[in-house]
Order: sequence, then C-alpha cells, then structure tokens
Amino acid sequence: DGGITQSPKYLFRKEGQNVTLSCEQNLNHDAMYWYRQDPGQGLRLIYYSQIVNDFQKGDIAEGYSVSREKKESFPLTVTSAQKNPTAFYLCASSPQGYEQFFGPGTRLTVL
Amino acid sequence: GQQLNQSPQSMFIQEGEDVSMNCTSSSIFNTWLWYKQDPGEGPVLLIALYKAGELTSNGRLTAQFGITRKDSFLNISASIPSDVGIYFCAGGGYSGGGADGLTFGKGTHLIIQP
Repeated sequence: DGGITQSPKYLFRKEGQNVTLSCEQNLNHDAMYWYRQDPGQGLRLIYYSQIVNDFQKGDIAEGYSVSREKKESFPLTVTSAQKNPTAFYLCASSPQGYEQFFGPGTRLTVL
Repeated sequence: GQQLNQSPQSMFIQEGEDVSMNCTSSSIFNTWLWYKQDPGEGPVLLIALYKAGELTSNGRLTAQFGITRKDSFLNISASIPSDVGIYFCAGGGYSGGGADGLTFGKGTHLIIQP
C-alpha cells in the first residue's frame, strides 16, 4: 500500500526544546518537501531535497533543519531557534516534475 | 517568495450550484496545480496543468491554464456536500527560478448550504 506517512499526528513541545517530525514514503519518489501551514494561510516551503544526501533551503528555513540519509525518509527538526513553531507541518514527495503528493500532516503545539 | 492571489477567499453556495475560483500571479509559472484540503488533513491533488491554454477535466471539476501563464481557474459543476473544503492553487517552476517547491495561494474555503 504505497503512500506518505507522517508521525506523530499531534505533537506537543515545551519552549526551548528541539523536536523531530517524521516523514516516510514508499512511492520511490526522488524529491521530498516540507511545508508549514498557518491558519488561513497557504503552504510555505521550509526545505526540499531532490536526491539523497542533498537538500536545499526553502522560503522559511530559519529555525529548522533536515537530513536525507535514505530515499524513503526526510525528517524535519524544529529547533529552539524557531520563534513561532506552532503550526501544521506537511511533508510531500514527487517523482519528477511538479506534481507533489502530501502526507496527512503533523500538528505541532508549543506549550 | 512569489505570491499567488487566490479568490474568492470563501464561498457560501447552495447544493447543486456551480462554483468558480481563480488564481493570479505577477510571475509566469510553467505548471498550475489545484489541490483540495479537508480539515486536519493533507492536500489532495485534483488537477495538474502543464501547457498555456490547456483545459482539463476531472469528473465535475474543470481547470484551465491561462494563456499568459500568470493565471488559472477551477470550476466545480453541480456542487455536492462532499465538495466542502479548502481549495488551493499552486504554481510550479516560476520564471524567476529558485526553489523547486510549489508556490501556493491562500486558499478558497467552500461552504455548501443545504
């Protein structure tokens, strides 16, 4: 059953803590992406990776870090440097071209 | 980053009515995509457009890639309750280059009154 999974669905964090969001895909897609969504807003690109061991900053990369050690996995770490981390985080993957397929999302809340 | 202007912001319609929404940009895009998002879920791809002037249908949905490559519209015919949600346009490969991620509009919130 192919698809993109994100875990956990809901995540709570205390201020000053780093937290890592998981994204896994078994679609054999080369490219993977992380977006942030705030209420009433569109999706904003955080980081993307087009190949293993390589990734690029998006429009709002400050306070975030990623790794791409395996084709199937693209975890996102929200660091304590991110000033306003409470948001809905979406991971996507793409074979080639521009069609992107999204996971179910992780809602992060900072307490 | 680039901006997409999506309108209307929200629509209140009666079941059975046709719906029309659009997206405009000051930049040229090589691809226009339309997604639907249900509350608390990830967006689902509805239609992808790759050529200026292209008109593509997916069931009751029809989308067009504007001739100028700076706009796109989505029509939904004979709306039904399950059409409720937020519809996003997204542009890919804009002329200014840069990141290969998509640029998203802020969404059109479709609400259907019984």
